[in-house]
Amino acid sequence: NAGVTQTPKFRVLKTGQSMTLLCAQDMNHEYMYWYRQDPGMGLRLIHYSVGEGTTAKGEVPDGYNVSRLKKQNFLLGLESAAPSQTSVYFCAARLRTAEAFFGQGTRLTVV
Amino acid sequence: SQQGEEDPQALSIQEGENATMNCSYKTSINNLQWYRQNSGRGLVHLILIRSNEREKHSGRLRVTLDTSKKSSSLLITASRAADTASYFCATDGNTGGFKTIFGAGTRLFVKA
Repeated sequence: NAGVTQTPKFRVLKTGQSMTLLCAQDMNHEYMYWYRQDPGMGLRLIHYSVGEGTTAKGEVPDGYNVSRLKKQNFLLGLESAAPSQTSVYFCAARLRTAEAFFGQGTRLTVV
Repeated sequence: SQQGEEDPQALSIQEGENATMNCSYKTSINNLQWYRQNSGRGLVHLILIRSNEREKHSGRLRVTLDTSKKSSSLLITASRAADTASYFCATDGNTGGFKTIFGAGTRLFVKA
């Protein structure tokens, strides 16, 4: 039982390039989240989803897009990467009113 | 700004001592959760306390919630070197569909 799996684990992008981060969960959880964590800081919510086909903006959504076509997958897209998007990205999944399970993170560097 | 704010930002104690971390939040909540993060790793859930609960225990952990003051505390008793990590509180507001917001965290260092 893998829980929450993030792909890739590391990536270096050039400014202006695009990429998609994949979050996959095998727990059949309804809610999924994308966060970013910058050095010495807490997690900031980018986007989240309360079910298949639905997404909503979090605290820092600008520059990112998301899709949840299947319940088990939540994709985070960067259309035109900027150095300010250098961060560690975490995905989480949870049942309603329960604790969240996190992936191990994707370390993204934009040069 | 973030919903939850932890205090202190950093805490250094000796093994065997108790560690207390506090979290304050701004709006009404459904529940409050505490998570732990070892350096460079994902977060691990420690304990969840609902808005109608005042105290909860799990092993060496004790969490309190005061909704009138919009604050929570996490107590780790008899700390161990292995407790060294960052600790975050997270809140689910009671509007907005379980938008879980994290605080900036407390870095705990337990000296052996």
